[in-house]
Amino acid sequence: DGGITQSPKYLFRKEGQNVTLSCEQNLNHDAMYWYRQDPGQGLRLIYYSQIVNDFQKGDIAEGYSVSREKKESFPLTVTSAQKNPTAFYLCASTVALMTPYSNQPQHFGDGTRLSIL
Amino acid sequence: EDQVTQSPEALRLQEGESSSLNCSYTVSGLRGLFWYRQDPGKGPEFLFTLYSAGEEKEKERLKATLTKKESFLHITAPKPEDSATYLCAVQVSRGSQGNLIFGKGTKLSVKP
Repeated sequence: DGGITQSPKYLFRKEGQNVTLSCEQNLNHDAMYWYRQDPGQGLRLIYYSQIVNDFQKGDIAEGYSVSREKKESFPLTVTSAQKNPTAFYLCASTVALMTPYSNQPQHFGDGTRLSIL
Repeated sequence: EDQVTQSPEALRLQEGESSSLNCSYTVSGLRGLFWYRQDPGKGPEFLFTLYSAGEEKEKERLKATLTKKESFLHITAPKPEDSATYLCAVQVSRGSQGNLIFGKGTKLSVKP
């Protein structure tokens, strides 16, 4: 079955530590996204990528980094510079933005919950 | 500034008691409006896309409608398994990014 796989489901970060969240999709989608979800708030965009080897900052990129070396994979690193990392992180994908199909829905993985030790 | 507001924040219904969730938006050019369902500890699950005012979509007990300023998600004769948080998101036509702007969601609880 096609879908988006996020791992791990739960992750704990120590002070000063960088951690990396995995996102893999087999939907053959070009565009991928990372969101942060906090209680009582809407999803906020961290980074997005429309094509391999290219990505752009979203609304809350500070303290995060990404890479897009393969079409299927879009890992997110939460660096020690992110002072409030505790949140639910969601990865999503959709067909390429710059096409007639660019109003297609985004499909989501089941998230990674990150907490501070 | 583009904005999406969902109401109410929480809604409690008895099984079989129909109701509606609201998503109002102020954006500069709507490309599409999306409804998602999110269960606790899970990612959002896509329900509907609406593109233009007057459009309606249905799926089982859910019906989504769209006007120029808002969208409604009507739930007819809900069952306990419809309990979830329902998210609304809009995609604007400004620029080429097409990124989504999400509302904060409506948490629906359906009691047997």
